[in-house]
This record gives sequence, C-alpha cells and structure tokens, in this order.
Amino acid sequence: QKEVEQDPGPLSVPEGAIVSLNCTYSNSAFQYFMWYRQYSRKGPELLMYTYSSGNKEDGRFTAQVDKSSKYISLFIRDSQPSDSATYLCAMSTGAGSYQLTFGKGTKLSVIP
Amino acid sequence: DTAVSQTPKYLVTQMGNDKSIKCEQNLGHDTMYWYKQDSKKFLKIMFSYNNKELIINETVPNRFSPKSPDKAHLNLHINSLELGDSAVYFCASSQSDRGETQYFGPGTRLLVL
Repeated sequence: QKEVEQDPGPLSVPEGAIVSLNCTYSNSAFQYFMWYRQYSRKGPELLMYTYSSGNKEDGRFTAQVDKSSKYISLFIRDSQPSDSATYLCAMSTGAGSYQLTFGKGTKLSVIP
Repeated sequence: DTAVSQTPKYLVTQMGNDKSIKCEQNLGHDTMYWYKQDSKKFLKIMFSYNNKELIINETVPNRFSPKSPDKAHLNLHINSLELGDSAVYFCASSQSDRGETQYFGPGTRLLVL
C-alpha cells in the first residue's frame, strides 16, 4: 500500500461546479497536510496548508483533514476555468520535517 | 522577482553524457531540495540540503550528485545519463522550521536520447 493515495482523474467539471479532491494515507504520523496546484509545464505552488484535523478556508478553497479516517479533502467552490490544473496533496510528519510525501495528483479541467 | 529559479529549463542530451542543473533561491531560506517528477507526474524527493549540509538522500543512483555551494544555491550533477533519467527535475526551498511549506522552481525538463 502506497503511503499516499490520490485518484489521478482526470476530473472534468462545468464552470461554477463544486469540486471535491481527496487523498487517503496510511502513515498515522503525518501531522501537516498540504495541497499544491501545478499548472501544465510549471512547478507546484502551495495552495493550502493545514495542521492536524479540522477545516481551513481560503476564499473559494476549503481544506479538510480527518485524521481518524486518514482522509483529506480539498473543495473548490464556484470553480473557474483558471482552476484547471493538477492538484497534488502532500503530507509531512512534523514541524521542521524536511520530507514531504506527495500523492500522484488529480488533473482537473473546468469547462467554460 | 523569481523566488526559485532553475537553469536550464530544457535539456536534451545523449545517453552516457554528463550534465548539470542549477538552482538558486532568493527567499532567504536555509533548506533546498531536488525532486524528480516522472512521466506519470509522480513527484518524489531525491535530496535535501540544510545550511549546505545533506540531510535527505533518498535511494537515488550515485550517478546523481548534489552540491550546495551556499544556502541560496543547490546544483545537481548527473553522470552517465540513462534513458530512464528522462523526467522533470524540480528544485524547491523552505525554512528549516517550516519544512512543510516548500516553494518550487519552474522545473528542468531532461530528455535523454
């Protein structure tokens, strides 16, 4: 079993839809949970960062972490064509831990 | 202003050659990383340096040798290139007490023929 599992998609939604992206993980030591967005032929950019369980909201984006289920989600409200990208979840075990473990990424297309 | 930059952006070379990729960050971070992203988009860490000291050295062929001349620079030298080395190589940086938030460069696309 891989440490981080993420459905690669592709996921195609109409503009304005609510998008749900998910990752599951097996390592209970993970404490920090990140979502990176990667546009085609670009480097990943940090989108959201959450510590431990709970929700975090930033504009149209909401990150949720359920440590009991080892499950994290990213919701995108009112999706826009500019949200079309690959979304990678990433996790680490603790502050100062230098090692991120990434999911394989989900490719999202938002159709106008 | 570019935060994390890499050169070159594209690298096409023959099998058996030796090549280097350079990375520079102007964020004042003390930790830098090399990642490899394969054709299936899987991003995997290769090396990490903190204050010029190697702290992560994943299972990578010893044909790959990182070098950090100072905190702002991390280079990757690859000897005897093989077809399987074709990938996108990303440099990233972070503060050591915020290793979970890393900033990535634009990537170097390496194609070995």
